[in-house]
Amino acid sequence: AQSVAQPEDQVNVAEGNPLTVKCTYSVSGNPYLFWYVQYPNRGLQFLLKYITGDNLVKGSYGFEAEFNKSQTSFHLKKPSALVSDSALYFCAVRDTDTGRRALTFGSGTRLQVQP
Amino acid sequence: DARVTQTPRHKVTEMGQEVTMRCQPILGHNTVFWYRQTMMQGLELLAYFRNRAPLDDSGMPKDRFSAEMPDATLATLKIQPSEPRDSAVYFCASGLINDRVGTEAFFGQGTRLTVV
Repeated sequence: AQSVAQPEDQVNVAEGNPLTVKCTYSVSGNPYLFWYVQYPNRGLQFLLKYITGDNLVKGSYGFEAEFNKSQTSFHLKKPSALVSDSALYFCAVRDTDTGRRALTFGSGTRLQVQP
Repeated sequence: DARVTQTPRHKVTEMGQEVTMRCQPILGHNTVFWYRQTMMQGLELLAYFRNRAPLDDSGMPKDRFSAEMPDATLATLKIQPSEPRDSAVYFCASGLINDRVGTEAFFGQGTRLTVV
């Protein structure tokens, strides 16, 4: 079975400071990993993904994430937070070895960036 | 600008009534998902289709929910009869997904369902 854990319900950071949103995963094989962002009353927007290759993945709006196989983590990062980054962030995983094509999502982390 | 379109955006209905939610996936995508989002349960997978064939509907209450893809441009999710506990935001997503390509799924804006 595939699963994702986002240990923090909320992350608070001051504008201009670096931010990290944590994600750990569990799969039986190799993972495809994704980050999505959700603004109020909107659908989920794709930010970035790790499929294979370089462990550091760059995505939209200056976000990046680092895949760490030994720690089974895929933390989302940004060097300098903006107030407009305030939203709900979801990590998701797909286990490539099961043939299952659906993503399993974490519970979400609310990012609050203070001016 | 290709996008997943869901209708209606909002629906308020009385308990016991039938509800139908519609989704137009992005043209060319071979996989369509239905997810439900609630405060308590987060994002739950209800069902998904590949090339219009249902692959997994284990997340769906079978006695009242049904999902279909009558053609490649339309996916439907029906609830009959609806209950207050069905109140949630229902998302449709589509993607071009196969065993060796890890493409992302694109989400619609969702249907916010309130059953009173």
